[in-house]
Amino acid sequence: DGGITQSPKYLFRKEGQNVTLSCEQNLNHDAMYWYRQDPGQGLRLIYYSQIVNDFQKGDIAEGYSVSREKKESFPLTVTSAQKNPTAFYLCASSVSLTLSSNQPQHFGDGTRLSIL
Amino acid sequence: AQSVAQPEDQVNVAEGNPLTVKCTYSVSGNPYLFWYVQYPNRGLQFLLKYITGDNLVKGSYGFEAEFNKSQTSFHLKKPSALVSDSALYFCAVRAPDRGSTLGRLYFGRGTQLTVWP
Repeated sequence: DGGITQSPKYLFRKEGQNVTLSCEQNLNHDAMYWYRQDPGQGLRLIYYSQIVNDFQKGDIAEGYSVSREKKESFPLTVTSAQKNPTAFYLCASSVSLTLSSNQPQHFGDGTRLSIL
Repeated sequence: AQSVAQPEDQVNVAEGNPLTVKCTYSVSGNPYLFWYVQYPNRGLQFLLKYITGDNLVKGSYGFEAEFNKSQTSFHLKKPSALVSDSALYFCAVRAPDRGSTLGRLYFGRGTQLTVWP
């Protein structure tokens, strides 16, 4: 079955540590996204990528980094510069970013990150 | 600027009664609107979308949404609620395809729906 796989499901970070969240899709989608979800705040966009080797900052990119070396993969690194990383992180993908494709975004089941 | 408002943090309804989850939007240009549902510790699942055409859009699990251009609203409805419909619901609007907003979705804060037996 096609879909988006996020791992791990739960992750704990120590002070000063960088951690990487994995996101893999087998939907053959060009566009991929990372969102942060906090209670009562909805989803906020961290980074998104239109195509391999290209990515753009979203609304809250500070303290995060991404790479897009392969079409299927879009890992997110939460760096030590992110002082409040505790949240639920969601990865999504869509066929493309252009208006000609109005297909919805598909979501993974998220990674819950906590501070030790 | 693009934005979505979900004026109710919580909606409570009895099983078998109709439900409505409200959404209003602000967007430059034609709106492209979406509803998603989220169950605890899961990702978002797509329910339905409005792109153009009929103002009443039918989606998954018996849900439908009514687009009202004059009121800039896109309310989610279901004629008869089920306990299993209890979840967090998000409305989203797609930004126009220009510059830095290319292809982006803007989400509301979500509405927690509780259906009691």
